[in-house]
Amino acid sequence: GNSVTQMEGPVTLSEEAFLTINCTYTATGYPSLFWYVQYPGEGLQLLLKATKADDKGSNKGFEATYRKETTSFHLEKGSVQVSDSAVYFCALTAAGNKLTFGGGTRVLVKP
Amino acid sequence: KAGVTQTPRYLIKTRGQQVTLSCSPISGHRSVSWYQQTPGQGLQFLFEYFSETQRNKGNFPGRFSGRQFSNSRSEMNVSTLELGDSALYLCASSLRALAGGDYTQYFGPGTRLTVL
Repeated sequence: GNSVTQMEGPVTLSEEAFLTINCTYTATGYPSLFWYVQYPGEGLQLLLKATKADDKGSNKGFEATYRKETTSFHLEKGSVQVSDSAVYFCALTAAGNKLTFGGGTRVLVKP
Repeated sequence: KAGVTQTPRYLIKTRGQQVTLSCSPISGHRSVSWYQQTPGQGLQFLFEYFSETQRNKGNFPGRFSGRQFSNSRSEMNVSTLELGDSALYLCASSLRALAGGDYTQYFGPGTRLTVL
C-alpha cells in the first residue's frame, strides 16, 4: 500500500534559520504530493502541492520539489519565523481521493 | 469564499452513547472526506462521499458511518462510543469529479470529541 515517512521531531530552530523537513513516500502509480500545516487547536491548512515529477510547489517562502527518482518531497524554507512554529504533515494521494499522511513533524522556532 | 465548516467544535460524550458530526464543504465542492486524528495513530482516513455515495472507506469498524446530502453537506455518526474514539475528527472537501478533477483537499477546523 501507499505510505509516507517523514522525519520525527521536534525540530527546534532559531529565528531566521534554514528549515528542512525530509519526506519520502511509497506509492503505486503517479501520486500527487502535499504539505499541510497544523497550528495548535486548528485543522490542517494546505501549504503547497505538486502533482507530477519535477514540479516545485511553493507558498509563503516554503518550497518542495517532487523527486520521482528518490521518491521524496522535502520541505524547505530559507528563513523561519516564530510564526512558523507548527506541525507539518507530508501527504500523498494516488488513484483516488484518500490522503495518506506521514506522522507529522513538530517545528519550534525560538526568537 | 467560505471554507469548510464543522459543527460542533467540541463534544463530550460518555461510553456507549452515539454522536453525529456535521460538515459543510466549500461551495461547489462535491466530495467530502473524513479523517480521524489521534496522538497514537496520527491521521487516518475514514471515508469519502461524492454525489451522496460512499466512494472509498478506510479500515474502521462499522460503528463509524456517514452520509452525504444533495447539497453536499455531510454527517458522520459514531455509535456505541468507546474511550478510544476520543480524537479530532477532520472533514475535508475537494473539487474532484467522478473521473479525475482536482483532488486537492481543504480541511475544516475539526470537531474535538472526548469520550468519558
